[in-house]
Amino acid sequence: GAGVSQSPSNKVTEKGKDVELRCDPISGHTALYWYRQRLGQGLEFLIYFQGNSAPDKSGLPSDRFSAERTGESVSTLTIQRTQQEDSAVYLCASSALAGVFEQFFGPGTRLTVL
Amino acid sequence: DQQVKQNSPSLSVQEGRISILNCDYTNSMFDYFLWYKKYPAEGPTFLISISSIKDKNEDGRFTVFLNKSAKHLSLHIVPSQPGDSAVYFCAASVAGTYKYIFGTGTRLKVLA
Repeated sequence: GAGVSQSPSNKVTEKGKDVELRCDPISGHTALYWYRQRLGQGLEFLIYFQGNSAPDKSGLPSDRFSAERTGESVSTLTIQRTQQEDSAVYLCASSALAGVFEQFFGPGTRLTVL
Repeated sequence: DQQVKQNSPSLSVQEGRISILNCDYTNSMFDYFLWYKKYPAEGPTFLISISSIKDKNEDGRFTVFLNKSAKHLSLHIVPSQPGDSAVYFCAASVAGTYKYIFGTGTRLKVLA
């Protein structure tokens, strides 16, 4: 079956522009996560969706970041007025249930802000 | 505040020998731990997990050890193979919650 897919795989943008990153989770997975990995650093939690519950946005670094998810399907992460420090790999993961079940990661979107 | 630490950014091991990757945590509430492997340009893939009711979990060449009193876990790979060369992340969570805290990763290089 298909795994988690993300698009685009690479995105180069100019400082100040908005970007939108997309994640298609594994079908039937109710939980969806967004992480950020800056160069040489670990995975930094950004936001979590679980079914129709209110998302946990506690990891979003600023109000320039927002994310949406349509039901239990596609999610988009939007970064407004991008800054150079937003440059990172943005990873999406899904899991069948919240809690201790393993997460399945997509290949990530590498964002470069010039 | 780094709750999950992987203090060795890199490790080189000869093929056939044992690789030991270490992870320390500070939050005593963590009771579920996972290891992920990541190849370049790919997302992390789940490798092995352990819950705090156990001190060892084995899956083929991979064994994870948990020392709760020391708040330390380790991943042993025996025998190491060149294909094991990747970045390894440990992650911790509180059972029943959804938030995983990841370490910064250790880059393992297995030399042929």
